[in-house]
Amino acid sequence: NAGVTQTPKFQVLKTGQSMTLQCAQDMNHEYMSWYRQDPGMGLRLIHYSVGAGITDQGEVPNGYNVSRSTTEDFPLRLLSAAPSQTSVYFCASKGGLATYNEQFFGPGTRLTVL
Amino acid sequence: AQTVTQSQPEMSVQEAETVTLSCTYDTSENNYYLFWYKQPPSRQMILVIRQEAYKQQNATENRFSVNFQKAAKSFSLKISDSQLGDTAMYFCAFMSGVGGTSYGKLTFGQGTILTVHP
Repeated sequence: NAGVTQTPKFQVLKTGQSMTLQCAQDMNHEYMSWYRQDPGMGLRLIHYSVGAGITDQGEVPNGYNVSRSTTEDFPLRLLSAAPSQTSVYFCASKGGLATYNEQFFGPGTRLTVL
Repeated sequence: AQTVTQSQPEMSVQEAETVTLSCTYDTSENNYYLFWYKQPPSRQMILVIRQEAYKQQNATENRFSVNFQKAAKSFSLKISDSQLGDTAMYFCAFMSGVGGTSYGKLTFGQGTILTVHP
């Protein structure tokens, strides 16, 4: 199993550009989520999904859009990039109904918006 | 909403010694889970240890153990026999267990950078 994969690993955008961060998992996990990591603030939840076709907002959803058309994929879209979106982005997945089941994280995408 | 606070931005320890990282949290729930994650320079998030709030016994994983004080809402991580490979950022995280509806959503603390010196 590849686990959770994210592409690209690094990206530089100009203000106003749009892009999609890709996330895929091959563990047949129901739950997937996106976090952003900023210095001094830990990781904060952007959006999450509890299954194909079902998504909801997290703590910091503004400026981001998600969809979940398959169990495997959960892309994150930046609609119009802003410098405040410069961050490291992590995708995570969790399987099973048990709340304590481990979350698996992808390797992260470092995004810089100029 | 839950909050998680790590009041130590940076810590350092000599190799083979013991270090304790602090974490406090705020919640009105009785059923929840607490985690410590390690993030080495590679950026990968690695689960170190997990504690279920309904368990009174503190969790232990090899050299890593926690001191879980539910009434005080405190969850510290003790690393014994520190090794150079323990150098990393450590995050404390909270997950609600109410009705199984947390969907894996984690609330993280700010992180503590731990440096192990030879």
